[in-house]
Amino acid sequence: DIQMTQSPSSLSASVGDRVTITCRASQGINGNLAWFQQKPGKAPKSLMYATSSLQSGVPSKFSGSGSGTDFTLTISSLQPEDFATYYCQQYQSYPLTFGGGTKVEIK
Amino acid sequence: EVQLVESGGGLVQPGGSLRLSCAASGFTVSSQYMSWVRQAPGKGLEWVSILYSDGSTYYADSVKGRFTISRDNSKNTLYLQMNSLRAEDTALYYCASSMVYATFDSWGQGTLVTVSS
Repeated sequence: DIQMTQSPSSLSASVGDRVTITCRASQGINGNLAWFQQKPGKAPKSLMYATSSLQSGVPSKFSGSGSGTDFTLTISSLQPEDFATYYCQQYQSYPLTFGGGTKVEIK
Repeated sequence: EVQLVESGGGLVQPGGSLRLSCAASGFTVSSQYMSWVRQAPGKGLEWVSILYSDGSTYYADSVKGRFTISRDNSKNTLYLQMNSLRAEDTALYYCASSMVYATFDSWGQGTLVTVSS
């Protein structure tokens, strides 16, 4: 199984900050990585797939990068609506696996 | 507009069975990757099962042999038959779809399954 490790598990940031979340796979995943945002009491929302391809309607302040085993999600200027938990997911092989999540909180 | 609506959750005793449904609109379930993902209370996301458009299925080891994913094209609905339920199966179960990859583009609102005596 491919293990997905996110860091940090939580962070505190201010409105306007640039935030970066890291996701590391236990083996290469050929860029087959997706990112999700989940707000309390809500279903997850897909942000991007294939490492850096934004889903329709997702603002360009979200960006993804990486290759091999190391990937990042960056929010260029944090806004109040971005405070949430973020998950990465690999779809290189089964079982499909998620990272443990990164909770982004208000400083 | 893609919409997924889950139903069928509830309280069940250990060893019992439950069938979840996911009614889709805005697309046909037979044309996309259809999945179930669960989230235990206060925990992260866990993939459960996926059904390809060609009928292929995959399962997490934790549910293999106990859960069965299927679809009814005439009703445009995805199902998850859950047998031999355990306390550790307690979670909010989400239905999700994806057009191209084995990921989760669209999500339902979830249905809660509680396994307890």
